[in-house]
Amino acid sequence: EDKVVQSPLSLVVHEGDTVTLNCSYEVTNFRSLLWYKQEKKAPTFLFMLTSSGIEKKSGRLSSILDKKELFSILNITATQTGDSAVYLCAATNRDDKIIFGKGTRLHILP
Amino acid sequence: KAGVTQTPRYLIKTRGQQVTLSCSPISGHRSVSWYQQTPGQGLQFLFEYFSETQRNKGNFPGRFSGRQFSNSRSEMNVSTLELGDSALYLCASSLEAGGGYNEQFFGPGTRLTVL
Repeated sequence: EDKVVQSPLSLVVHEGDTVTLNCSYEVTNFRSLLWYKQEKKAPTFLFMLTSSGIEKKSGRLSSILDKKELFSILNITATQTGDSAVYLCAATNRDDKIIFGKGTRLHILP
Repeated sequence: KAGVTQTPRYLIKTRGQQVTLSCSPISGHRSVSWYQQTPGQGLQFLFEYFSETQRNKGNFPGRFSGRQFSNSRSEMNVSTLELGDSALYLCASSLEAGGGYNEQFFGPGTRLTVL
């Protein structure tokens, strides 16, 4: 059965710290790996990764995919209180099925 | 450009009733996907509609159904509600089909409580 596992489930750090969120997947006919940030209700899109080893960056956030080891990481440097959210990872297959992980709840202390 | 809108935002029903949720995608977006989010199961894909056709479906019972209209607005229906259907129902729209390779924009969700 296809699955996506995120770790840790929750994380508390101080403002200014760097965090690494992990996402491993087992998906038949894998197509892409997606990262979303969910603060209150609506998840907002962060990254879509399809190729191994190519880092995607957006400001203080970056992500990379390893298709051999079947995982992705999301890095956030110089964290701010506004980064507090649930970060969701999802994997899709070539039939356009999308499977989400349970999320990592990140809390940034001022 | 207005975002994805969902109505109603909150809903309380009793077991056995049915419910219809509505989603209006971003103007110009032709794909609408529906998701169920619960604390225990996380975010789970329900189905995707594109050009009024269901093109993909998750592992949910037949009590969950949907449709899409010619203006791309979509409705989701749940019949014979069960307590376990209590959840946040999110819809997401994208320009083209396939949430796996087209950026999806999520609505604020409808919080359904089944008593």
